[in-house]
Amino acid sequence: RKEVEQDPGPFNVPEGATVAFNCTYSNSASQSFFWYRQDCRKEPKLLMSVYSSGNEDGRFTAQLNRASQYISLLIRDSKLSDSATYLCVAFSGGYNKLIFGAGTRLAVHP
Amino acid sequence: EAGVAQSPRYKIIEKRQSVAFWCNPISGHATLYWYQQILGQGPKLLIQFQNNGVVDDSQLPKDRFSAERLKGVDSTLKIQPAKLEDSAVYLCASSQRWGGDTGELFFGEGSRLTVL
Repeated sequence: RKEVEQDPGPFNVPEGATVAFNCTYSNSASQSFFWYRQDCRKEPKLLMSVYSSGNEDGRFTAQLNRASQYISLLIRDSKLSDSATYLCVAFSGGYNKLIFGAGTRLAVHP
Repeated sequence: EAGVAQSPRYKIIEKRQSVAFWCNPISGHATLYWYQQILGQGPKLLIQFQNNGVVDDSQLPKDRFSAERLKGVDSTLKIQPAKLEDSAVYLCASSQRWGGDTGELFFGEGSRLTVL
């Protein structure tokens, strides 16, 4: 079983739609979680951290459910520029390393 | 501020040949990572350095891959001999301390390897 699992998608949504991605992690000792964004043929970049209390950054909201070991990312009012792959990342303090999921591809169309 | 520099951007070799990738991290960043990203997959950590010491190389295929970070600054990743399944993008990243502190790794543009 992969440590971080995501639905690969693609999610095809129209502009203005709300879309949500989920991610599950297997290591209950994972301490911190993040969402990265990767544009086609580009390097990954940090989108936002995920806190237990949930956090919001503009149109993006991230949530963490430790009991069920899943993380979510909600994008409201999708823009064409949101088209990318979204990578879920878990930090395992015991191993001091960041584990990336395979990513969920989002395609926003006019 | 200059970002993470990598070279070459693209490399095509035949199987059993050797290849080397170079990375220069952001100035002052103590931690340097090499990730392998195969098409359609997420980045997989190959090796992590803290200054010039190896912190984690558990997923590095040591029979063919080697990496070093002399003087705790730039780093090279070598593959010898290459296999078809090594075709991937090799991403170098750096962070000020442990990546888990803030989760923010700064990635280079990557070196795309094709093994024929």
